[in-house]
Amino acid sequence: NAGVTQTPKFRILKIGQSMTLQCTQDMNHNYMYWYRQDPGMGLKLIYYSVGAGITDKGEVPNGYNVSRSTTEDFPLRLELAAPSQTSVYFCASSYSGGQLAKNIQYFGAGTRLSVL
Amino acid sequence: QKEVEQNSGPLSVPEGAIASLNCTYSDRGSQSFFWYRQYSGKSPELIMSIYSNGDKEDGRFTAQLNKASQYVSLLIRDSQPSDSATYLCAVRMYSGGGADGLTFGKGTHLIIQP
Repeated sequence: NAGVTQTPKFRILKIGQSMTLQCTQDMNHNYMYWYRQDPGMGLKLIYYSVGAGITDKGEVPNGYNVSRSTTEDFPLRLELAAPSQTSVYFCASSYSGGQLAKNIQYFGAGTRLSVL
Repeated sequence: QKEVEQNSGPLSVPEGAIASLNCTYSDRGSQSFFWYRQYSGKSPELIMSIYSNGDKEDGRFTAQLNKASQYVSLLIRDSQPSDSATYLCAVRMYSGGGADGLTFGKGTHLIIQP
């Protein structure tokens, strides 16, 4: 069972470059999330999605874009990379049935991004 | 602004002792509380979830919730060196509108001394 898969695992970008972080899940979860984690800090929510075609901003959305064309995939796009976007990015997903407040989020292995 | 506060540590505990990790949160409407363990360079892994006031036990782990005091804690009994990690407290306020994300604390770095 693959769970949540993120690619790439590591990436170095130059300032101003663009890239897409890929996230796919095989658990048939409708809800998906993107977080970033800076050194010594907790995770902060960037964007989330409740299903294909529906996305919404989290706490720190500036500089990022997302799309959700399928249930399985939730890519995160950086258009003009800046040093402040150096971080570890985690994708997560959760079940949408039952009592929503109790649903557990499952995390991918993360993408470590450096912008130089 | 939803906030979750944790002592960053490091918290050093002898092997076999009880490790006590604490967390406070600002949003009184919060409904779901989670403890994640994160090893260095790895992704968060769920340890415990708790939704009602009181204690919830799972093996060596006990989560405690006091909504009146806006306080949640994690106890680890018979601490093992493999428990050495950063423990993240996460809180979710379910607004009814969909899949709100979790608000995380900065984490407590726990060191179990052999």
